[in-house]
Amino acid sequence: QQQVKQSPQSLIVQKGGISIINCAYENTAFDYFPWYQQFPGKGPALLIAIRPDVSEKKEGRFTISFNKSAKQFSLHIMDSQPGDSATYFCAASITGANSKLTFGKGITLSVRP
Amino acid sequence: NAGVTQTPKFRILKIGQSMTLQCTQDMNHNYMYWYRQDPGMGLKLIYYSVGAGITDKGEVPNGYNVSRSTTEDFPLRLELAAPSQTSVYFCASRGALGDEQYFGPGTRLTVT
Repeated sequence: QQQVKQSPQSLIVQKGGISIINCAYENTAFDYFPWYQQFPGKGPALLIAIRPDVSEKKEGRFTISFNKSAKQFSLHIMDSQPGDSATYFCAASITGANSKLTFGKGITLSVRP
Repeated sequence: NAGVTQTPKFRILKIGQSMTLQCTQDMNHNYMYWYRQDPGMGLKLIYYSVGAGITDKGEVPNGYNVSRSTTEDFPLRLELAAPSQTSVYFCASRGALGDEQYFGPGTRLTVT
């Protein structure tokens, strides 16, 4: 049973366009929802994260939208740049001492010049 | 700070050989994690530790062992390497007061 599902599986966007990646989760006890960005040959790095008490969080060109009733959250990348080309993972966890992230399968974003 | 460091970067093992993947963090983080990443499968948790001397299994622990004798180090041991263990392995750490996990650069392991 996959607890965190990402869509689409891959995404190609033109430079300057909007990239949208979706994530659905099943466990209603999850209370922390991060997005990680991974460049080839590197480890994942936290991009942006949200908690269920807010519906949207924006950091620069990156925005997380959160829909608690639908158990979904999404990453929007505005004015997408070739440097944004990477693999993006959504994840979820339950806050606490034994907190463990459950990751989605990841999606590869390619931004064409 | 170097953050999370992993050695080696690459390794080729023969079936049945053993090896230890090293992980060290210099952020005084209590929590440490080992993941494996396979193409199209995301990151799967192998083992984790909430502090020195305390470890617990994750989602895919079979074929692996860990120890945590110090806060800084969290080695992952493969005793009898199998082709199914061909993967990229990432170590991560997290502070007691934060949610963010900091990842190392990874070790690419091939078992043939």
